[in-house]
Amino acid sequence: GAVVSQHPSRVICKSGTSVKIECRSLDFQATTMFWYRQFPKKSLMLMATSNEGSKATYEQGVEKDKFLINHASLTLSTLTVTSAHPEDSSFYICSARDRVVAGGPSSNEQFFGPGTRLTVL
Amino acid sequence: GEDVEQSLFLSVREGDSSVINCTYTDSSSTYLYWYKQEPGAGLQLLTYIFSNMDMKQDQRLTVLLNKKDKHLSLRIADTQTGDSAIYFCAERSGGYNKLIFGAGTRLAVHP
Repeated sequence: GAVVSQHPSRVICKSGTSVKIECRSLDFQATTMFWYRQFPKKSLMLMATSNEGSKATYEQGVEKDKFLINHASLTLSTLTVTSAHPEDSSFYICSARDRVVAGGPSSNEQFFGPGTRLTVL
Repeated sequence: GEDVEQSLFLSVREGDSSVINCTYTDSSSTYLYWYKQEPGAGLQLLTYIFSNMDMKQDQRLTVLLNKKDKHLSLRIADTQTGDSAIYFCAERSGGYNKLIFGAGTRLAVHP
């Protein structure tokens, strides 16, 4: 099946620094990638939808200047948490949708990465 | 608003059936999904059901949908230790792209 990787898997940083998380589709091209945030015992919260070559669409309440998303190629999207603070500590998960599949329920199938655990001290 | 609710934990004996329940609020949802997340891995799509269906069976998995009550369930027959994972219910809502997830149900299978 389609594989999505994330790097790093874990990162610890100091408050005020910026952290970049990479999401890669390894064996397929993804015109659309999604970034989620997961709190303990909470659901995955969609942060933004990233389309290759265009600006990301952010969900309500998500600060686009704080969470910078770049989708520069069909296989790579990055999320940069700028000026990180302890409240940004969370599990960040990306997913990617195969550009080849179209129509029906499987066209919405998102292949998920394993997640990145961010801890801000 | 859009909301998906699940119980957080379920414990079953190996060989028994597991039933994981989910409720959702968006009556316009077209597709409902079940995902499985194993430790250290991404979410894996298990199955889905279209909103005009009542039931879907796929090997050991049975999905029941009560659209009137906005209730979805996933039944796993003959539960095995390899089924231990977190199971997420999700609805396709707000257009083509958006998936709304529940908090996930942690299934523990014991001998």
